[in-house]
Amino acid sequence: AQSVSQHNHHVILSEAASLELGCNYSYGGTVNLFWYVQYPGQHLQLLLKYFSGDPLVKGIKGFEAEFIKSKFSFNLRKPSVQWSDTAEYFCAVSNAGNNRKLIWGLGTSLAVNP
Amino acid sequence: GAVVSQHPSRVICKSGTSVKIECRSLDFQATTMFWYRQFPKQSLMLMATSNEGSKATYEQGVEKDKFLINHASLTLSTLTVTSAHPEDSSFYICSASQGETGYTFGSGTRLTVV
Repeated sequence: AQSVSQHNHHVILSEAASLELGCNYSYGGTVNLFWYVQYPGQHLQLLLKYFSGDPLVKGIKGFEAEFIKSKFSFNLRKPSVQWSDTAEYFCAVSNAGNNRKLIWGLGTSLAVNP
Repeated sequence: GAVVSQHPSRVICKSGTSVKIECRSLDFQATTMFWYRQFPKQSLMLMATSNEGSKATYEQGVEKDKFLINHASLTLSTLTVTSAHPEDSSFYICSASQGETGYTFGSGTRLTVV
Protein backbone atom coordinates (compact mmCIF):
# COMPACT_ATOMS: atom_id res chain seq x y z
CA ALA A 1 0.00 0.00 0.00
CA GLN A 2 1.11 3.53 -0.66
CA SER A 3 2.26 5.56 2.31
CA VAL A 4 3.94 8.86 3.02
CA SER A 5 6.27 9.42 5.93
CA GLN A 6 7.24 12.80 7.31
CA HIS A 7 10.15 12.44 9.66
CA ASN A 8 9.74 15.54 11.76
CA HIS A 9 6.50 16.05 13.64
CA HIS A 10 7.47 19.25 15.40
CA VAL A 11 10.22 21.66 14.41
CA ILE A 12 11.19 24.82 16.22
CA LEU A 13 13.55 27.28 14.57
CA SER A 14 14.74 30.80 15.01
CA GLU A 15 14.28 33.33 12.24
CA ALA A 16 16.90 33.15 9.50
CA ALA A 17 17.65 29.50 10.25
CA SER A 18 17.59 27.03 7.38
CA LEU A 19 14.79 24.53 7.09
CA GLU A 20 14.63 21.02 5.72
CA LEU A 21 11.57 18.82 6.21
CA GLY A 22 11.86 15.20 5.23
CA CYS A 23 9.29 13.30 3.19
CA ASN A 24 9.57 9.73 1.97
CA TYR A 25 6.97 7.71 0.14
CA SER A 26 6.44 4.13 -0.73
CA TYR A 27 5.13 3.48 -4.22
CA GLY A 28 6.88 1.77 -7.06
CA GLY A 29 5.25 3.54 -9.96
CA THR A 30 5.29 7.03 -11.37
CA VAL A 31 4.17 9.58 -8.82
CA ASN A 32 3.11 13.18 -8.50
CA LEU A 33 4.44 14.87 -5.37
CA PHE A 34 3.12 17.83 -3.42
CA TRP A 35 3.86 19.99 -0.43
CA TYR A 36 0.96 21.85 1.14
CA VAL A 37 1.00 24.42 3.90
CA GLN A 38 -1.74 25.24 6.39
CA TYR A 39 -1.28 28.52 8.22
CA PRO A 40 -3.09 28.91 11.56
CA GLY A 41 -6.80 29.25 10.95
CA GLN A 42 -6.47 29.00 7.19
CA HIS A 43 -7.08 26.34 4.60
CA LEU A 44 -4.54 24.24 2.80
CA GLN A 45 -2.45 25.96 0.16
CA LEU A 46 -0.16 24.43 -2.41
CA LEU A 47 3.51 25.28 -1.85
CA LEU A 48 4.91 23.36 -4.77
CA LYS A 49 4.45 20.22 -6.82
CA TYR A 50 6.46 17.87 -8.95
CA PHE A 51 5.20 15.66 -11.72
CA SER A 52 7.99 15.55 -14.28
CA GLY A 53 11.09 17.36 -15.48
CA ASP A 54 13.66 19.07 -13.29
CA PRO A 55 13.68 17.24 -9.94
CA LEU A 56 14.46 20.49 -8.13
CA VAL A 57 11.18 22.30 -7.83
CA LYS A 58 10.79 25.89 -6.72
CA GLY A 59 7.59 26.96 -5.05
CA ILE A 60 6.08 30.02 -3.49
CA LYS A 61 7.59 32.04 -0.64
CA GLY A 62 11.14 30.85 -1.26
CA PHE A 63 10.46 27.16 -0.72
CA GLU A 64 11.96 24.44 -2.86
CA ALA A 65 11.92 20.66 -2.87
CA GLU A 66 14.07 18.03 -4.50
CA PHE A 67 12.73 14.77 -5.85
CA ILE A 68 15.28 11.99 -5.45
CA LYS A 69 13.76 8.97 -7.12
CA SER A 70 16.35 6.51 -5.86
CA LYS A 71 15.59 7.51 -2.29
CA PHE A 72 11.82 7.87 -2.74
CA SER A 73 12.18 11.27 -1.16
CA PHE A 74 10.81 14.77 -1.71
CA ASN A 75 12.32 16.94 1.00
CA LEU A 76 11.22 20.52 1.46
CA ARG A 77 13.81 23.24 2.01
CA LYS A 78 14.04 26.94 2.67
CA PRO A 79 17.38 28.71 3.21
CA SER A 80 16.12 31.28 5.70
CA VAL A 81 12.81 30.98 7.52
CA GLN A 82 10.65 33.82 8.75
CA TRP A 83 8.21 34.06 11.63
CA SER A 84 5.39 34.04 9.05
CA ASP A 85 6.41 30.53 7.99
CA THR A 86 4.93 29.18 11.23
CA ALA A 87 2.41 26.61 9.99
CA GLU A 88 1.65 22.94 9.40
CA TYR A 89 3.37 21.41 6.41
CA PHE A 90 2.01 18.36 4.65
CA CYS A 91 3.65 16.16 2.05
CA ALA A 92 1.31 14.30 -0.28
CA VAL A 93 1.70 11.82 -3.12
CA SER A 94 -0.58 10.61 -5.85
CA ASN A 95 0.07 8.05 -8.52
CA ALA A 96 0.30 9.43 -12.01
CA GLY A 97 -2.50 7.33 -13.37
CA ASN A 98 -6.22 7.93 -13.43
CA ASN A 99 -6.59 7.55 -9.69
CA ARG A 100 -6.09 11.07 -8.37
CA LYS A 101 -6.28 10.11 -4.74
CA LEU A 102 -3.74 11.90 -2.60
CA ILE A 103 -1.92 10.01 0.12
CA TRP A 104 -0.93 12.34 2.94
CA GLY A 105 1.87 12.44 5.44
CA LEU A 106 1.02 13.18 9.05
CA GLY A 107 2.32 16.70 8.77
CA THR A 108 5.06 18.73 10.42
CA SER A 109 4.30 21.55 12.76
CA LEU A 110 6.84 24.35 12.26
CA ALA A 111 7.21 27.12 14.82
CA VAL A 112 9.55 29.98 13.98
CA ASN A 113 10.59 32.17 16.86
CA PRO A 114 11.20 35.83 16.08
CA GLY B 1 -6.59 30.93 -9.88
CA ALA B 2 -8.95 28.10 -9.17
CA VAL B 3 -11.21 28.56 -6.17
CA VAL B 4 -13.22 26.06 -4.20
CA SER B 5 -15.92 27.46 -1.97
CA GLN B 6 -17.01 25.38 1.00
CA HIS B 7 -20.03 26.21 3.18
CA PRO B 8 -20.74 26.50 5.99
CA SER B 9 -17.41 27.26 7.63
CA ARG B 10 -18.79 26.39 11.05
CA VAL B 11 -21.88 24.54 12.14
CA ILE B 12 -23.20 23.40 15.48
CA CYS B 13 -25.98 20.85 15.50
CA LYS B 14 -27.83 18.71 17.97
CA SER B 15 -27.14 15.04 18.24
CA GLY B 16 -29.39 13.04 15.94
CA THR B 17 -29.84 15.74 13.33
CA SER B 18 -28.31 15.89 9.85
CA VAL B 19 -25.93 18.46 8.46
CA LYS B 20 -25.18 19.23 4.81
CA ILE B 21 -21.85 20.67 3.69
CA GLU B 22 -21.48 22.13 0.20
CA CYS B 23 -18.38 22.27 -1.93
CA ARG B 24 -18.41 24.35 -5.10
CA SER B 25 -15.76 24.88 -7.74
CA LEU B 26 -16.23 28.51 -8.71
CA ASP B 27 -14.33 28.93 -11.95
CA PHE B 28 -13.67 25.46 -13.21
CA GLN B 29 -15.45 22.18 -13.66
CA ALA B 30 -14.49 19.41 -11.30
CA THR B 31 -15.38 15.92 -12.38
CA THR B 32 -13.77 14.60 -9.22
CA MET B 33 -14.00 15.99 -5.72
CA PHE B 34 -12.57 14.58 -2.53
CA TRP B 35 -13.89 14.74 1.00
CA TYR B 36 -11.48 14.66 3.92
CA ARG B 37 -11.74 14.66 7.66
CA GLN B 38 -9.02 16.24 9.75
CA PHE B 39 -8.59 15.48 13.42
CA PRO B 40 -6.73 17.93 15.66
CA LYS B 41 -2.98 17.86 15.12
CA GLN B 42 -3.35 15.07 12.56
CA SER B 43 -3.22 14.71 8.83
CA LEU B 44 -6.12 14.63 6.45
CA MET B 45 -8.01 11.39 6.24
CA LEU B 46 -9.63 10.75 2.90
CA MET B 47 -13.25 9.77 3.40
CA ALA B 48 -14.47 9.42 -0.15
CA THR B 49 -13.94 10.31 -3.76
CA SER B 50 -16.91 11.98 -5.39
CA ASN B 51 -17.41 11.56 -9.12
CA GLU B 52 -19.91 13.66 -11.03
CA GLY B 53 -22.87 11.63 -12.16
CA SER B 54 -21.91 8.43 -10.37
CA LYS B 55 -21.74 6.97 -6.89
CA ALA B 56 -18.99 8.07 -4.59
CA THR B 57 -16.14 5.75 -3.73
CA TYR B 58 -15.73 5.43 0.02
CA GLU B 59 -12.54 4.58 1.84
CA GLN B 60 -12.40 1.57 4.06
CA GLY B 61 -14.08 2.15 7.40
CA VAL B 62 -16.18 5.10 6.25
CA GLU B 63 -19.93 4.47 6.53
CA LYS B 64 -21.55 5.45 3.25
CA ASP B 65 -25.02 5.54 4.81
CA LYS B 66 -23.83 7.98 7.43
CA PHE B 67 -21.79 10.24 5.18
CA LEU B 68 -23.94 10.77 2.10
CA ILE B 69 -22.19 12.29 -0.88
CA ASN B 70 -23.92 13.76 -3.88
CA HIS B 71 -22.09 15.14 -6.91
CA ALA B 72 -24.94 16.14 -9.14
CA SER B 73 -23.13 18.73 -11.23
CA LEU B 74 -19.61 19.53 -12.39
CA THR B 75 -19.34 22.35 -9.89
CA LEU B 76 -21.08 21.06 -6.78
CA SER B 77 -20.58 18.19 -4.38
CA THR B 78 -22.35 17.85 -1.05
CA LEU B 79 -21.56 15.84 2.06
CA THR B 80 -24.43 15.13 4.42
CA VAL B 81 -23.62 13.84 7.88
CA THR B 82 -26.75 11.95 8.88
CA SER B 83 -27.86 11.36 12.45
CA ALA B 84 -24.82 13.18 13.72
CA HIS B 85 -23.25 12.24 17.03
CA PRO B 86 -20.60 13.99 19.11
CA GLU B 87 -17.90 11.67 17.74
CA ASP B 88 -18.64 13.08 14.27
CA SER B 89 -17.40 16.46 15.45
CA SER B 90 -14.42 17.26 13.29
CA PHE B 91 -13.02 19.45 10.56
CA TYR B 92 -14.25 18.42 7.12
CA ILE B 93 -12.42 19.57 4.00
CA CYS B 94 -13.26 19.15 0.34
CA SER B 95 -10.97 19.43 -2.62
CA ALA B 96 -11.55 19.49 -6.33
CA SER B 97 -9.35 17.90 -8.90
CA GLN B 98 -8.24 19.83 -11.95
CA GLY B 99 -6.97 17.02 -14.07
CA GLU B 100 -4.04 14.81 -13.19
CA THR B 101 -1.96 17.19 -11.16
CA GLY B 102 -4.06 19.96 -9.72
CA TYR B 103 -5.99 20.01 -6.48
CA THR B 104 -7.70 22.98 -4.90
CA PHE B 105 -8.99 22.87 -1.35
CA GLY B 106 -11.99 24.40 0.29
CA SER B 107 -11.58 26.35 3.50
CA GLY B 108 -13.10 23.56 5.57
CA THR B 109 -16.13 23.14 7.80
CA ARG B 110 -15.85 22.86 11.58
CA LEU B 111 -18.68 20.60 12.70
CA THR B 112 -19.59 20.46 16.36
CA VAL B 113 -22.28 18.05 17.47
CA VAL B 114 -23.72 18.73 20.90
